[in-house]
Amino acid sequence: DQQVKQNSPSLSVQEGRISILNCDYTNSMFDYFLWYKKYPAEGPTFLISISSIKDKNEDGRFTVFLNKSAKHLSLHIVPSQPGDSAVYFCAASRSGAGSYQLTFGKGTKLSVIP
Amino acid sequence: NAGVTQTPKFQVLKTGQSMTLQCAQDMNHEYMSWYRQDPGMGLRLIHYSVGAGITDQGEVPNGYNVSRSTTEDFPLRLLSAAPSQTSVYFCASSRRGLREGTEAFFGQGTRLTVV
Repeated sequence: DQQVKQNSPSLSVQEGRISILNCDYTNSMFDYFLWYKKYPAEGPTFLISISSIKDKNEDGRFTVFLNKSAKHLSLHIVPSQPGDSAVYFCAASRSGAGSYQLTFGKGTKLSVIP
Repeated sequence: NAGVTQTPKFQVLKTGQSMTLQCAQDMNHEYMSWYRQDPGMGLRLIHYSVGAGITDQGEVPNGYNVSRSTTEDFPLRLLSAAPSQTSVYFCASSRRGLREGTEAFFGQGTRLTVV
C-alpha cells in the first residue's frame, strides 16, 4: 500500500512558465512533508519542506502548498528554468519514532524546455 | 565540506558474496539511514540509527545488517548477495528526527549489481 503517491511520472514545461508537481498521501499520521530534487548519478538534495500546521511555505522560486483535508500537497516552481530539470520526490514523516523515517513517493521527472 | 560520503560508487557482486557499503558523515549528525532506490519504486528505508550503538529496521531490512560504533560511520552489510538486491543505495544523515529545519542530507549513492 503506497502511502505517498506521485501520480505523474513525468512533466514537461516551457522555460519561464510555472511547474506544478503534485503529491497525495494516505497516512493521516504524517505531519511533515518534504520535497527533494535528484539529478542523474547524484543523491537527492533537499528543496523545501512544510509542517502540517501550515498551508504554504515559500523559498525563492519554490512554493509548497498543503491541503490537509484533501491529503494533498503541491510544489510550484515559478519561473521554471532548464536547470530545474530533474526528478522530484515528495516525502513524508510523522512525529515521535516516525520522525526518523521518510516515506517517499515514486518521483516525477520534470523537463524544462528552453 | 565532504557531507555524506559513500564508497564504493559502483560494485558488481556474484550471488552469495558478501560485502559492506561504507557511509561516513562529517557533520556530527545523530541520525543516519540507508535507503534503496529501485526503478519505479522511489526510495525505501532499509535501516536507520538514532545514535552510536542504536539501530533499527526500516521498511525493507531483510538481507542487510548494520551497526553504528561511531557517530561518523554507518556501514551496510550484505551477508549473502541476491539478484533482488541489485539497486542504488543511498546513505543519509540529519541532526535529529526529521522535523522543520532538520532535513536529511544524502550521499551520492552506490550502484550495486548482483549477478
